[in-house]
Amino acid sequence: DQQVKQNSPSLSVQEGRISILNCDYTNSMFDYFLWYKKYPAEGPTFLISISSIKDKNEDGRFTVFLNKSAKHLSLHIVPSQPGDSAVYFCAASGGSGSARQLTFGSGTQLTVLP
Amino acid sequence: NAGVMQNPRHLVRRRGQEARLRCSPMKGHSHVYWYRQLPEEGLKFMVYLQKENIIDESGMPKERFSAEFPKEGPSILRIQQVVRGDSAAYFCASSPGQGYGAFFGQGTRLTVV
Repeated sequence: DQQVKQNSPSLSVQEGRISILNCDYTNSMFDYFLWYKKYPAEGPTFLISISSIKDKNEDGRFTVFLNKSAKHLSLHIVPSQPGDSAVYFCAASGGSGSARQLTFGSGTQLTVLP
Repeated sequence: NAGVMQNPRHLVRRRGQEARLRCSPMKGHSHVYWYRQLPEEGLKFMVYLQKENIIDESGMPKERFSAEFPKEGPSILRIQQVVRGDSAAYFCASSPGQGYGAFFGQGTRLTVV
């Protein structure tokens, strides 16, 4: 039972264009969402997060949008740069008592072409 | 302020041996999480600990796996009698408390031969 889904395993974008990575969730108790970037042989690096009380959070080139009614969030990267090429994981937390562990999607490999 | 430190980075064990993975959280962080990433899969939650307490171990296999976070020293994930299916990358994350993002270490890559 995948509670957090990233349906696109890969995405290729031209340098300078916008990258849009999507994530869907099923657990309505989730109230905090995060995006991580991961390079091979390294740990995930925190990028940006959003609380369920907001529908948008922006940090430089990265913007996360949350649509609670659709249980959908997306990460926009603009302009995309070759150094952005990595696997991007969507994660969610909330519900289940006070544990606050993260539930991850399976990741999307972003390739930014020069 | 050092990040989350995991050691060793790479660990090779023969089937039936024990694997001990260590994690030192970021300074000031009292919440530690362990995740496992199997080949071609996303990260799966294993266990959540605070100092001297296991808060949630719902993601831990019922047998052979255990975790601790003592009052002094790093958190330890122990896998007894390892099998080939335990080969994976094990990531530790720490956070200062609930409602914050978790910061990950570089992981320990366990290979069981």
